[in-house]
Amino acid sequence: ELKVEQNPLFLSMQEGKNYTIYCNYSTTSDRLYWYRQDPGKSLESLFVLLSNGAVKQEGRLMASLDTKARLSTLHITAAVHDLSATYFCAPHMDSNYQLIWGAGTKLIIKP
Amino acid sequence: NAGVTQTPKFQVLKTGQSMTLQCAQDMNHNSMYWYRQDPGMGLRLIYYSASEGTTDKGEVPNGYNVSRLNKREFSLRLESAAPSQTSVYFCATRAGTGETEAFFGQGTRLTVV
Repeated sequence: ELKVEQNPLFLSMQEGKNYTIYCNYSTTSDRLYWYRQDPGKSLESLFVLLSNGAVKQEGRLMASLDTKARLSTLHITAAVHDLSATYFCAPHMDSNYQLIWGAGTKLIIKP
Repeated sequence: NAGVTQTPKFQVLKTGQSMTLQCAQDMNHNSMYWYRQDPGMGLRLIYYSASEGTTDKGEVPNGYNVSRLNKREFSLRLESAAPSQTSVYFCATRAGTGETEAFFGQGTRLTVV
């Protein structure tokens, strides 16, 4: 059974700072997805990481995947208030084609 | 393009009542999913349908039933609602079971009193 651990679960930071959210998972998975959720809203796809060493960047967010370490990171550069949201990682479980979801990291960026 | 549409958006039920949550997609996707989201627990898969005509249990299927009515529609039924089923329910679709991302509906906020 694939288990997913995100940390931290809650992060409050100042605008302009850098920080990294970590997503560890317990068994082999060769692809991973990152999603964003605003309060009371649905989930929106941010990144699709399809292979070991994959790196994707969009604005101030950069995601990477290390399948050997079973680790993905979401790095925030020079944070701005608009990035306040909850971020979820979801590794893909090859055995049954499902996405297994982390608990989410609630990010609050203070002006 | 509506994408993934869920109805209703909000619902309050009394314990023991039944209801059906509806999900329709116009993305021509094969796979459809029902998740529930509870605080601090991420998303948990209730049921999924890899393709029209098939359904399978997910992580937390007890107390729920589903119907894949056609390629577009996937409904979730609560036969006898319990307070433990108070949650936000999301329907999602994927083009297939491989490398594709999931697209989500807007969610149904269900309260069982």
